[in-house]
Amino acid sequence: EVQLVQSGAEVKKPGESLKISCKGSGYSFTSYWIGWVRQMPGKGLEWMGIIYPGDSDTRYSPSFQGQVTISADKSISTAYLQWSSLKASDTAMYYCARGALYSGSYLEGGAFDIWGQGTMVTVSS
Amino acid sequence: SYELTQPPSVSVSPGQTARITCSGDALPKQYAYWYQQKPGQAPVLVIYKDSERPSGIPERFSGSSSGTTVTLTISGVQAEDEADYYCQSADSSGIWVFGGGTKLTVL
Repeated sequence: EVQLVQSGAEVKKPGESLKISCKGSGYSFTSYWIGWVRQMPGKGLEWMGIIYPGDSDTRYSPSFQGQVTISADKSISTAYLQWSSLKASDTAMYYCARGALYSGSYLEGGAFDIWGQGTMVTVSS
Repeated sequence: SYELTQPPSVSVSPGQTARITCSGDALPKQYAYWYQQKPGQAPVLVIYKDSERPSGIPERFSGSSSGTTVTLTISGVQAEDEADYYCQSADSSGIWVFGGGTKLTVL
C-alpha cells in the first residue's frame, strides 16, 4: 500500500525550533516529488514547497521562502519540514503529499495524489 | 503572485448537479486538478489533468476546461459529497497554487 505517515502533533513556544517528518512507503521514494501544504485553522490549503528526493531539487512558494526549510533523506524515505524560530502564526495543520507529474516535466505542473494524515503544530506561549 | 479564484460556496439539493468554477490566467496553458476535503480529513484528489478521474473516484465527478476557467461538475449530488473543494494548478515558474476553496452544501 502506498502511504505517507507523518510525525505526531507538536506543541511549541514562540522562538523554538521544530522539524516534522513524513515517511513514504509502498513506492519508489526517489521517483516522486514530496510537497508540504499548510492549512491554518478554518482556512484553505496553501502550497508551501516541494522537493525531489532523488536529487534534492527543492522549490518554495514565495510566501514561504526563507521561513521554512524542506529537506529529505532518501536513505530512510523521509521528507522533513523545519522551522528555526516558530511564531504563533505558524499554528496550523501541515500535510505532506506525493507530487505526481502527469506531463513528465516539473514546469508543466502536477498534483498531489497521496497525502499524509497531517501534523498539527500549535505555537503558544 | 499567481492566483486561482473559486466561489466561496455552492449549494445544491440531493440529486441535482453542482458546478464549481476556478479561474486563473495560466489555466489555458497549465492543467488543473481538483481535491475534495471533508472535515477532519486530508484532501483527496478527485480530478487530474482537467478532466481525468483517478481510480476509485465515482463517475459522477467530472471536470472540464474552457479558456481561463475550469469547472468541477458533480452530477446527482449525494449527501456524502458535502465537503470543501479546491482547485490547484501551477504557474510558468513551477510554483503550484491552490484556489481559495469552495464549500459545497447539500441542502
